[in-house]
Amino acid sequence: QKEVEQNSGPLSVPEGAIASLNCTYSDRGSQSFFWYRQYSGKSPELIMSIYSNGDKEDGRFTAQLNKASQYVSLLIRDSQPSDSATYLCAFPGGSARQLTFGSGTQLTVLP
Amino acid sequence: DGGITQSPKYLFRKEGQNVTLSCEQNLNHDAMYWYRQDPGQGLRLIYYSQIVNDFQKGDIAEGYSVSREKKESFPLTVTSAQKNPTAFYLCASSWGVSGTEAFFGQGTRLTVV
Repeated sequence: QKEVEQNSGPLSVPEGAIASLNCTYSDRGSQSFFWYRQYSGKSPELIMSIYSNGDKEDGRFTAQLNKASQYVSLLIRDSQPSDSATYLCAFPGGSARQLTFGSGTQLTVLP
Repeated sequence: DGGITQSPKYLFRKEGQNVTLSCEQNLNHDAMYWYRQDPGQGLRLIYYSQIVNDFQKGDIAEGYSVSREKKESFPLTVTSAQKNPTAFYLCASSWGVSGTEAFFGQGTRLTVV
């Protein structure tokens, strides 16, 4: 059983639209969740951390956490071509609570 | 500048040879990690270390070895026992292992021919 599942994509949205990326996790005890952005050929870059239920906004990015449903999402408003990347969700799901990553969702923002 | 440095960026090796990938951090982080990424895939944990002189196997440790003799350094050796070593290797560090955000180096792309 996978510990974290992401909508596999690829996902394409037009420039200016809202991109919605989703992730479900299996460990009800997890308290922290992270979204990373990875451009092609580059290493992952942390873009959002969320620790409590509800929404957390940072510029055009909003992370949403629902612990009861074991669901975390990332919304990107006013999507730009520069947002085209693979987005990885992660949470401390290992035996020592080490970070476990989803397989990623590839997002393409069309000009 | 604080950060995580991996070297080299690209590495080519012949099949059957051991190779060591370097990872150094100056963030004073306690925990360090090695992940492997294959094309179109997520990150899989190879090894992690919470403190100096201690490390734990991750999900795909077979064919790999590590050491943690200094807080700043966590080198990864890809041995000849690793059946499919060609991949993108990522080193990361964090303040602690449990529930803390991790930061990545720029990665090493290993190609075995």
